[in-house]
Amino acid sequence: DTGVSQDPRHKITKRGQNVTFRCDPISEHNRLYWYRQTLGQGPEFLTYFQNEAQLEKSRLLSDRFSAERPKGSFSTLEIQRTEQGDSAMYLCASSFQPGQGPGELFFGEGSRLTVL
Amino acid sequence: QKEVEQNSGPLSVPEGAIASLNCTYSDRVSQSFFWYRQYSGKSPELIMSIYSNGDKEDGRFTAQLNKASQYVSLLIRDSQPSDSATYLCAVNRGFQKLVFGTGTRLLVSP
Repeated sequence: DTGVSQDPRHKITKRGQNVTFRCDPISEHNRLYWYRQTLGQGPEFLTYFQNEAQLEKSRLLSDRFSAERPKGSFSTLEIQRTEQGDSAMYLCASSFQPGQGPGELFFGEGSRLTVL
Repeated sequence: QKEVEQNSGPLSVPEGAIASLNCTYSDRVSQSFFWYRQYSGKSPELIMSIYSNGDKEDGRFTAQLNKASQYVSLLIRDSQPSDSATYLCAVNRGFQKLVFGTGTRLLVSP
């Protein structure tokens, strides 16, 4: 399968614990994005990388959130000291530019976080 | 005012009918527009992109853009039960960030 893969698909944690999600984009894609989606809402932009550089971060991304893409391939999203409000689906997407339009994204299946 | 507004629905149409989904956006500098389909429990999937005023057709799907009215629509002809999903409108203002609406749920009954 050459799509975007995310791991884990589901994570249940207690408030205050740290969690980390991993995303493996489509192999030739140079841009990688993280979005968050809650029930009944559209995805909300969190951050994006061009190769290994993190070029944009949303104000939604508090200091407890950090994302990396160390070698321009896979990416990790870490949430420290989780809160119940962090419960959501965390979606990773990738694209190749130039070539694809700026909004033409391929999404992974997401990592669902439940904070108890 | 939300940046991207959609009626949450559900929009119910019989099989074979035309489904019309609408979206308005608030920022006039928006440059590109997208429709994503999201089945329940799945991730969004791009089905149409449109960059200039007018219509763009792809199979049973037609996207329509009117920048003066800040309005984007998606028409689905010959609707099938398999089209039942949430349709997300997304807008890009020239940066990498996409702003999504809350989506319109479409139900196509056999």
